[in-house]
Amino acid sequence: KAGVTQTPRYLIKTRGQQVTLSCSPISGHRSVSWYQQTPGQGLQFLFEYFSETQRNKGNFPGRFSGRQFSNSRSEMNVSTLELGDSALYLCASSLDTGALDEQFFGPGTRLTVL
Amino acid sequence: KQEVTQIPAALSVPEGENLVLNCSFTDSAIYNLQWFRQDPGKGLTSLLLIQSSQREQTSGRLNASLDKSSGRSTLYIAASQPGDSATYLCAVNFRGIYNQGGKLIFGQGTELSVKP
Repeated sequence: KAGVTQTPRYLIKTRGQQVTLSCSPISGHRSVSWYQQTPGQGLQFLFEYFSETQRNKGNFPGRFSGRQFSNSRSEMNVSTLELGDSALYLCASSLDTGALDEQFFGPGTRLTVL
Repeated sequence: KQEVTQIPAALSVPEGENLVLNCSFTDSAIYNLQWFRQDPGKGLTSLLLIQSSQREQTSGRLNASLDKSSGRSTLYIAASQPGDSATYLCAVNFRGIYNQGGKLIFGQGTELSVKP
């Protein structure tokens, strides 16, 4: 069974631009979560989607948004990029409830904002 | 505030040694706790998941314990090998009105180096 896949793996953008990252969960998984990892703040939760609905949300500004499609694939969008948005963005999927299920992570997308 | 702490931040041991990594959390109301491994520049690999009702889980040379009342978990690695060198992260899924179930709070990690 294929793992969680994320595209693209690397991105370079300039301040003010916007970016869209994509995540394909493990087949059969319906919950997708997004995390931001930086050296200073570590891993921080962005949001979680389940059955196309946002179920949980972290403490990030409205420039960070996401969505989930009917096939469980998810995208996150960051608008008006800032230097501080440079980070490794990780996506995780779980089977169903999220509350009880193991979460599996993808390889991440490395975003660099210049 | 729900927080997760891992001590020490870094650990260096000789090959073959048994070692323990520590994780503490501030609230005993949890769904579960998960241990991950992260190699430099890579994603996270799930090692063990312990549900709130469980006291420990084992996988190969790894054993994780959970003590909710004291807010602690430990990851025991037996007979360490150079290939075990990585950052180990503890993540807690806390219960609460702001978490419908899929939100993990991570510790800062312990960077482990196993010397040949």
